[in-house]
Amino acid sequence: GQNIDQPTEMTATEGAIVQINCTYQTSGFNGLFWYQQHAGEAPTFLSYNVLDGLEEKGRFSSFLSRSKGYSYLLLKELQMKDSASYLCAVSDSNYQLIWGAGTKLIIKP
Amino acid sequence: GAVVSQHPSRVICKSGTSVKIECRSLDFQATTMFWYRQFPKKSLMLMATSNEGSKATYEQGVEKDKFLINHASLTLSTLTVTSAHPEDSSFYICSARDEQGGETGELFFGEGSRLTVL
Repeated sequence: GQNIDQPTEMTATEGAIVQINCTYQTSGFNGLFWYQQHAGEAPTFLSYNVLDGLEEKGRFSSFLSRSKGYSYLLLKELQMKDSASYLCAVSDSNYQLIWGAGTKLIIKP
Repeated sequence: GAVVSQHPSRVICKSGTSVKIECRSLDFQATTMFWYRQFPKKSLMLMATSNEGSKATYEQGVEKDKFLINHASLTLSTLTVTSAHPEDSSFYICSARDEQGGETGELFFGEGSRLTVL
């Protein structure tokens, strides 16, 4: 079956760095997405990786290793507003998005 | 960037009534839109894929007669929850892909609609 695994919850300190991991087993691979979702709101797009390596976008970076079925989202210089859930999603061979359960990130002052 | 608008954002209804939720792509055309349901502290669950001018494709376990989807134009899809019951209370979210971005283009999400059935 298809499966996306990511930690349920993480806690970090304001100003610090946090890495949220995502591992996947899917039928085919057409890219991996990271979305941010604040409580009660719809998800917003953060990043897309289809090739191995690191993509940097401001304070956020996303890494992909297709051979390992692994990705991480790196958040630097954490701010209180970064408290949210972070969803990992993989586009499979049919371009269907398979969603992880999300990682709730709690930022403490 | 592309914007998807969803309406209403919140709706409260009595058990047995029907509720319609609209999803509009504001500055791009979308032959395909997606409808999700999200339970508290859970991930998005794809309910159906809405196809412009044809029938929606429902995921296994989703009742077609319960959740009616209509995609009458390239910018509008609607989800109607028929004869709603308290267990239908949930957060419903639509999304669409700007097709100029291809099959792996970014998905744009509506604001979501929180349905509460009394």
